Amino acid sequence: NAGVTQTPKFQVLKTGQSMTLQCAQDMNHEYMSWYRQDPGMGLRLIHYSVGAGITDQGEVPNGYNVSRSTTEDFPLRLLSAAPSQTSVYFCASSYVRGPQETQYFGPGTRLLVL
Amino acid sequence: AQSVTQLGSHVSVSEGALVLLRCNYSSSVPPYLFWYVQYPNQGLQLLLKYTTGATLVKGINGFEAEFKKSETSFHLTKPSAHMSDAAEYFCAVRGGGNTPLVFGKGTRLSVIA
Repeated sequence: NAGVTQTPKFQVLKTGQSMTLQCAQDMNHEYMSWYRQDPGMGLRLIHYSVGAGITDQGEVPNGYNVSRSTTEDFPLRLLSAAPSQTSVYFCASSYVRGPQETQYFGPGTRLLVL
Repeated sequence: AQSVTQLGSHVSVSEGALVLLRCNYSSSVPPYLFWYVQYPNQGLQLLLKYTTGATLVKGINGFEAEFKKSETSFHLTKPSAHMSDAAEYFCAVRGGGNTPLVFGKGTRLSVIA
């Protein structure tokens, strides 16, 4: 198993540009989520999904879109990048068998918006 | 709703000394509690988790944590710090159903030789 993979590892954008952060998992996990990590803020939830075709907003969803057309993939779209979206983005996945299930994290995507 | 407070954004210990990282939680339902570790420029790795049953939970790399419901705490300890323990540590909580994992702000652990 490759686990949770994220691409790209690093990206530089100009203000106003759009892009998609890719996330894929090969563990047949129903639950997937996106977090952003900023210094001193911990990890904050952006969006999450409990299965294909189902998504919901987290704590900081503004400026981001998601879709879940397959179990394996959960891309995060930045519609019009802003400097405030400079951050490290982590994708995670787990089984939906109960809240005790461990979430597995990808290696992260470091995004710089100029 | 669930929330987590980690006391101390930075903790510094000498090599061989006790490591104590504090975590208090708030939850309206019986919580499921997690500690994750993040080494520089890497993702998050699970150290240990509390679900039900025994309140003292042992994890990887010699870490353990004790769930204390009366104190709403889940502090992380290790008897003897090693240089390789230097990292950022995150406490997290999940409630019932498919509720998301909620993280604390993290504690950076430095180990001094």
